[in-house]
Amino acid sequence: SAVISQKPSRDICQRGTSLTIQCQVDSQVTMMFWYRQQPGQSLTLIATANQGSEATYESGFVIDKFPISRPNLTFSTLTVSNMSPEDSSIYLCSSWGVMGTEAFFGQGTRLTVV
Amino acid sequence: RKEVEQDPGPFNVPEGATVAFNCTYSNSASQSFFWYRQDCRKEPKLLMSVYSSGNEDGRFTAQLNRASQYISLLIRDSKLSDSATYLCVVNTGSGSRLTFGEGTQLTVNP
Repeated sequence: SAVISQKPSRDICQRGTSLTIQCQVDSQVTMMFWYRQQPGQSLTLIATANQGSEATYESGFVIDKFPISRPNLTFSTLTVSNMSPEDSSIYLCSSWGVMGTEAFFGQGTRLTVV
Repeated sequence: RKEVEQDPGPFNVPEGATVAFNCTYSNSASQSFFWYRQDCRKEPKLLMSVYSSGNEDGRFTAQLNRASQYISLLIRDSKLSDSATYLCVVNTGSGSRLTFGEGTQLTVNP
């Protein structure tokens, strides 16, 4: 299994500001994934973060808005930049466990932009 | 067409009922399949993987039909604690990325 610690668990932010979300995995993992879950909806992949290279973004998501860092094999951050109320959502990080048979998730960050 | 489509729900069933969820996926190259459970305000957690031969875990049975690109989950003898959103999840194999269905909400009533 993998244990992923994500913080903050929630935040209320002013529009125009930025928030950085951190995820720490208890084991070394090649890839980490960042998802967004809008109210009442399912998870949408934002990007895949690989250590030592630039993140790979999904259609509709760009690096300027969601910069990602992956400084080592156990840690990643996602920044939500220049926030607007439309960014209010739950953000989750994820990685595969060491056996590669199950994906694990952080506890999520519930973001409200006012 | 969405990559993964599920029954829209919600499902409201009495305790003890049998309930079935259906899911279809569009990418025939998809490699692995899962059902995840998400409780309110919690992160998703793996309920079970889905294999071509079908697999059972207690009251839960999952089936995969690759030819029809169809996945199902059957819950027998529903419990109040089964109330949650059930997510159909597919690994297309491209960078190990997962694609999630919209989820089907289940409420089991006393």
